[in-house]
Amino acid sequence: AQSVTQLGSHVSVSEGALVLLRCNYSSSVPPYLFWYVQYPNQGLQLLLKYTSAATLVKGINGFEAEFKKSETSFHLTKPSAHMSDAAEYFCAVIRYGQNFVFGPGTRLSVLP
Amino acid sequence: GAGVSQSPSNKVTEKGKDVELRCDPISGHTALYWYRQSLGQGLEFLIYFQGNSAPDKSGLPSDRFSAERTGGSVSTLTIQRTQQEDSAVYLCASSLSPTPSTDTQYFGPGTRLTVL
Repeated sequence: AQSVTQLGSHVSVSEGALVLLRCNYSSSVPPYLFWYVQYPNQGLQLLLKYTSAATLVKGINGFEAEFKKSETSFHLTKPSAHMSDAAEYFCAVIRYGQNFVFGPGTRLSVLP
Repeated sequence: GAGVSQSPSNKVTEKGKDVELRCDPISGHTALYWYRQSLGQGLEFLIYFQGNSAPDKSGLPSDRFSAERTGGSVSTLTIQRTQQEDSAVYLCASSLSPTPSTDTQYFGPGTRLTVL
């Protein structure tokens, strides 16, 4: 069974600093990978997804993620954090014909 | 167009009562998912409807949980004899494609269920 781990349940960065949220997956076959964001009291919104095309994926709001097969990672980054980025971020993995598996989430706080 | 909608947004019930949660997917989306998000935890897959095929119920935690999807559109998640551990946010999502491989899931705002 595949699984997703997100290192750090809570990450704090200063406004303007680099955002790095970690995601590692376990799968014998490279899966499809997603990052979702959940703002307070809202549903999940897709940030970006990797579907075996380019390994560097650009998403909305300036976020991007790089698929590294050798490290089984799909870390999410943003060069400069904004206060509005404060939210919970979920990494998810799926293989063809199976269902989504979500990571436990990382809560991002942005300090002024 | 309209996104995924869920009702009610909040539900408070007493232990032992039955509850029904409703999901209206995006029009034309063939796949519909239910997830449960407990406090401090990630999303737990519950059930998946794919077009007219039999649903994938592999994520339902007990036989107190059931779901149906009428006419390939609206879905209802029913929890019978609710327990306090059922308290969570129940999220519904839909996607255009009948296979969950690469298609984006669009999430509703969720129903927050509190069992007293």
